[in-house]
Amino acid sequence: QKEVEQDPGPLSVPEGAIVSLNCTYSNSAFQYFMWYRQYSRKGPELLMYTYSSGNKEDGRFTAQVDKSSKYISLFIRDSQPSDSATYLCAMEAIGAGNNRKLIWGLGTSLAVNP
Amino acid sequence: GAVVSQHPSRVICKSGTSVKIECRSLDFQATTMFWYRQFPKKSLMLMATSNEGSKATYEQGVEKDKFLINHASLTLSTLTVTSAHPEDSSFYICSARELSGGETDTQYFGPGTRLTVL
Repeated sequence: QKEVEQDPGPLSVPEGAIVSLNCTYSNSAFQYFMWYRQYSRKGPELLMYTYSSGNKEDGRFTAQVDKSSKYISLFIRDSQPSDSATYLCAMEAIGAGNNRKLIWGLGTSLAVNP
Repeated sequence: GAVVSQHPSRVICKSGTSVKIECRSLDFQATTMFWYRQFPKKSLMLMATSNEGSKATYEQGVEKDKFLINHASLTLSTLTVTSAHPEDSSFYICSARELSGGETDTQYFGPGTRLTVL
């Protein structure tokens, strides 16, 4: 079993739809959860960063973490064609000193159709 | 937000040559930089973790003599692909961890370098 599971999609939605992207994980030591957006042929861009359980909102984006279920989500409201990209979840455990590293999901490819 | 640059953005080289890729944190100091490799429609694969002033830590299966990493300053790390072969063709991305003093420090990514080995 992979440490982080993410459905690669592709996911296609009409403009204005609410998008739900999800990842599950198996390592209970993960405490920090991130969502990155990656456009084609570009480096990933940090969208949201959450510590432990709970919700975090930033504009049209909401990140949710449910540690009891080992499940994280990213919601995009009023989706726009410019949101079309690959969305990668990443997570990190604490306490590893300088050997901390992100564990990545495969990424979900999203297409928002005008 | 913090900016990380990479140079070159694209390189084409002949088999057997060496290629150097630079990664710079432009407006912050990064004690740790990471080098990733990404194949088409695949996730990021961590190659190595580079701490300023010390030897890089390579992930299992990554040849350290083939992928030379130097992290000479808090703003610059280089990856040299030695004796490149066509199978080394890939998208190489660096990231830098901003030194904020917190429990965890966010990684910021460069725009990537596309390497094509003929």
